[in-house]
Amino acid sequence: AQKVTQAQTEISVVEKEDVTLDCVYETRDTTYYLFWYKQPPSGELVFLIRRNSFDEQNEISGRYSWNFQKSTSSFNFTITASQVVDSAVYFCALSEEGTGFQKLVFGTGTRLLVSP
Amino acid sequence: NAGVTQTPKFQVLKTGQSMTLQCAQDMNHEYMSWYRQDPGMGLRLIHYSVGAGITDQGEVPNGYNVSRSTTEDFPLRLLSAAPSQTSVYFCASRSTGQVNYEQYFGPGTRLTVT
Repeated sequence: AQKVTQAQTEISVVEKEDVTLDCVYETRDTTYYLFWYKQPPSGELVFLIRRNSFDEQNEISGRYSWNFQKSTSSFNFTITASQVVDSAVYFCALSEEGTGFQKLVFGTGTRLLVSP
Repeated sequence: NAGVTQTPKFQVLKTGQSMTLQCAQDMNHEYMSWYRQDPGMGLRLIHYSVGAGITDQGEVPNGYNVSRSTTEDFPLRLLSAAPSQTSVYFCASRSTGQVNYEQYFGPGTRLTVT
């Protein structure tokens, strides 16, 4: 069965601090996809990144970076030099081949508060 | 393109009332789905559809009905609303040919059942 765990319910940082959001997943499949979404206070869901199970390369996009490690079943998300606009709830999600990629399972989310 | 649209944005129902949450997309996506978001529980899949005339249950389907008569529309029906259905509902879509691509989400409908 697929499962996504985001153990950090809420994180508070001061602007310019670096912050890492943890995501641990469980799946029996060898082919799967991982995603991160951002939900700002306005409520919409914004796609940030996807990663397939065969690509363990880390990814950097501006101040955002992602560390995918199959050995620990983790797909962590780091924001460098955080800004107030980064304040949001961040969700990690998993889609696996066993469900035909038809079901996206979300973690419970991590609320990030960045204060000036 | 408008993307994924949902109506209404807000709704208050009394227990036992029925209503339909509307979802439409103009991207010609075959796959559409409904999620509910509750505090501390993330988003959970209610129902999904891989094309017109084809629907299937997700993780929390009880109390909800769906149908898919066109590619564009995927309405979610509450036949007899219960307070436990108070939630924020999101509709999403993607192309079935791009299983590794992200789903596009609508802006959400906030439903309160009293």
